[in-house]
Amino acid sequence: DAKTTQPPSMDCAEGRAANLPCNHSTISGNEYVYWYRQIHSQGPQYIIHGLKNNETNEMASLIITEDRKSSTLILPHATLRDTAVYYCIVRVREGAAGNKLTFGGGTRVLVKP
Amino acid sequence: DGGITQSPKYLFRKEGQNVTLSCEQNLNHDAMYWYRQDPGQGLRLIYYSQIVNDFQKGDIAEGYSVSREKKESFPLTVTSAQKNPTAFYLCASSTRTGARNTEAFFGQGTRLTVV
Repeated sequence: DAKTTQPPSMDCAEGRAANLPCNHSTISGNEYVYWYRQIHSQGPQYIIHGLKNNETNEMASLIITEDRKSSTLILPHATLRDTAVYYCIVRVREGAAGNKLTFGGGTRVLVKP
Repeated sequence: DGGITQSPKYLFRKEGQNVTLSCEQNLNHDAMYWYRQDPGQGLRLIYYSQIVNDFQKGDIAEGYSVSREKKESFPLTVTSAQKNPTAFYLCASSTRTGARNTEAFFGQGTRLTVV
């Protein structure tokens, strides 16, 4: 899996949008971008994934640059419960290779009142 | 409800003892994983299994062993050979829809403390 680079931490004001960047400059054409988050002492939770188009679900939006070398996870209206560590990973979806998930250090997001 | 269950949530063992962590899923998932997490760090892959009776080493397999005799179960044994076993252990599972692998679902973790 391609390596990802994320800022170690960031703060966000409650009610404002949180924009979390991720660099994946060595991503391959068949690798998807996945985002997970981990609230303290719990198992990671899947948020969203995408290949090259922007994606949106009830939790967040994912913006992937045209060259696919970076992406941004957007939490549109951050709440205190969004305080967590957010992980960006890339993986293939097809075949056995897609079963190996490699996590980096993630971004520790603190939402402040 | 379908899900992935790790037990126990907290586990204490004396140094030099082997200990087995349980992971059970009723999601009918083919693939299962074990990760280790140290304080303030990301997840590191210990072992993963793509199908029953098959498993592969991850990035930090030394001092650990696994088995996959049933689709639903993927127990992890932390042996006395593991130099620093105290950590938070996470189990996950995923599957394929057609040719594509789905996202992984995680258990709530087991916090192992070796004294």
